[in-house]
Amino acid sequence: QVQTVQSGGGLVRPGGSLRLSCVVSGVTLRDFYMSWVRQAPGRGLEWVSYISPTGDTVDYADSVKGRFTISRDNAKNSLSLQMNSLRVDDTATYYCTRGHWALDSWGQGTLVTVSS
Amino acid sequence: DIVMTQSPDSLAVSLGERATINCKSSQAVLHSSNNRDSIAWYQHRPGQPPKLLLSWASTRDFGVPDRFSGSGSGTDFSLTISSLQAEDVAIYYCQQYYLTPYTFGQGTRLDIK
Repeated sequence: QVQTVQSGGGLVRPGGSLRLSCVVSGVTLRDFYMSWVRQAPGRGLEWVSYISPTGDTVDYADSVKGRFTISRDNAKNSLSLQMNSLRVDDTATYYCTRGHWALDSWGQGTLVTVSS
Repeated sequence: DIVMTQSPDSLAVSLGERATINCKSSQAVLHSSNNRDSIAWYQHRPGQPPKLLLSWASTRDFGVPDRFSGSGSGTDFSLTISSLQAEDVAIYYCQQYYLTPYTFGQGTRLDIK
């Protein structure tokens, strides 16, 4: 059974940085694309980024391009999202998910709040 | 960007009755690799992460009850719950994965009447 444990959320000032992590068990992460999806309070789902199994292909939503960096460590079965130059409108629950097309095995989500 | 528009925004259906949610994409999303539409449907219950129900517009994910079905082609798609159960109360989202940025519909809230 696939289990995904997320960590790294919290409160940060505008312009600050935060790193989200996701550790997956029950499956070999190197076999899969992985993605981040977020949901702002009271809003719908927004795709953020994906990374290929080997990490050589990544893509980002325009709203985070140049500020966020997705990475993975297949040896540790983990996925990360480095978020820099955070803005108030980055406030959201961030989900780690398996896949990059249809997304299965979602993590429980981690809340990121950007506020002064 | 491909815009996904769901209708209705909210829906209330009696237990045991049929619920249908519609999703319209701003352009065709037919994947050339397999000639299938790049549409997924998700269920998002309060306090839980979203759950994949269907991919390729009509293929149920592992363990999804067969009362959930998907249909459609071109730019118009639907999710149907054939006999509503209490545990189906949730927000439902469609998503296109034909082109990045992969985009979701605004969501449809489904309640019990």
